[in-house]
Amino acid sequence: GQQLNQSPQSMFIQEGEDVSMNCTSSSIFNTWLWYKQDPGEGPVLLIALYKAGELTSNGRLTAQFGITRKDSFLNISASIPSDVGIYFCAGGYNFNKFYFGSGTKLNVKP
Amino acid sequence: DADVTQTPRNRITKTGKRIMLECSQTKGHDRMYWYRQDPGLGLRLIYYSFDVKDINKGEISDGYSVSRQAQAKFSLSLESAIPNQTALYFCATSDSSGGGNQPQHFGDGTRLSIL
Repeated sequence: GQQLNQSPQSMFIQEGEDVSMNCTSSSIFNTWLWYKQDPGEGPVLLIALYKAGELTSNGRLTAQFGITRKDSFLNISASIPSDVGIYFCAGGYNFNKFYFGSGTKLNVKP
Repeated sequence: DADVTQTPRNRITKTGKRIMLECSQTKGHDRMYWYRQDPGLGLRLIYYSFDVKDINKGEISDGYSVSRQAQAKFSLSLESAIPNQTALYFCATSDSSGGGNQPQHFGDGTRLSIL
């Protein structure tokens, strides 16, 4: 199957700091999605990207669809304790099938 | 009420037993998916269905089967469970009417332990 490399695997940051994480693939995708998963719950969609170069924001979150179509980035500004969770990227290229990264576990210290 | 409901939420069973995990949705989406989540491996696609009469294998379908009983219901079965099928299982839905690759919406998961 497709391999999506998501980094970093985990992060420990102080409340108020900005966060950056990324996802890279050897394959081209025409859609990138970013999800957040809280303990005991399913992944919840944060941002969807459909066009190379696209930059989309959702509150303090900003994601970008890489120009090469092989990568995507997620930034969180001014982190707060409720940002704690696992963030997943997903790339899709046809027929609504997506491939998921292994996740970035974010820890925020108050 | 949740839009995508999975039952049971937790299940412990023994090797060799037949297990069925159920998923129902009120989103009116035509596409449904089953994923498995293991620590450090993210989500892997088991089976997916684009319509009631459509069933497709994902990347890890061996040892699993599915049934799309209605547009709103998609069940996953383990005919003879084995310990390495211990994992967190997620159902997801998406809507084809928007065109392109529409985002998938997930249930809260079923934690399955096979002893």
